[in-house]
Amino acid sequence: DVKVTQSSRYLVKRTGEKVFLECVQDMDHENMFWYRQDPGLGLRLIYFSYDVKMKEKGDIPEGYSVSREKKERFSLILESASTNQTSMYLCASSLWRGGVNTQYFGPGTRLTVL
Amino acid sequence: KNEVEQSPQNLTAQEGEFITINCSYSVGISALHWLQQHPGGGIVSLFMLSSGKKKHGRLIATINIQEKHSSLHITASHPRDSAVYICAVTQEANTGNQFYFGTGTSLTVIP
Repeated sequence: DVKVTQSSRYLVKRTGEKVFLECVQDMDHENMFWYRQDPGLGLRLIYFSYDVKMKEKGDIPEGYSVSREKKERFSLILESASTNQTSMYLCASSLWRGGVNTQYFGPGTRLTVL
Repeated sequence: KNEVEQSPQNLTAQEGEFITINCSYSVGISALHWLQQHPGGGIVSLFMLSSGKKKHGRLIATINIQEKHSSLHITASHPRDSAVYICAVTQEANTGNQFYFGTGTSLTVIP
């Protein structure tokens, strides 16, 4: 079974702090994604990566950066956390198989910025 | 603009009722996914469809490619079906790796 793990389930940080969210997948997937999920807005793509050291901005990259130094690990960084970044953060990895892209999600990190 | 629209946003049903959740999309797709998210956050994939119909237990998913529409049906609903159901599509091959998600349908099944 594919396993996608995230470093924390719940996190509370203060405004201005630097925050690291880590995601690890164990199935050698090339593609990895970071989303945030807010009520009424659904899942919104922050960044994705299709290979080591490669990254692409998603729909809402402002205030975030990412790092992919190893294939299995994709980190999301909030350089200076703000209260409007309070959200559920979901990591996913995916692979193309048979012409179809299938995503596998981590359990999520609920981040509260005070 | 929303590439994927779901309805209804919220749904409350009595145990045993037949439930339908709808999804419409506006992009060319290689596949459509129905996902389930229970309280606590974890998302699991229920179905992946590129045509026709799939059934798993009490869940049935259908897709009409010409009309760009899919439905998720739950027969004999049960309180443990209470969750958020999310429709997602992957674009046609060679147009990128992105997924587009609906905003989800929050289902509550009352005993």
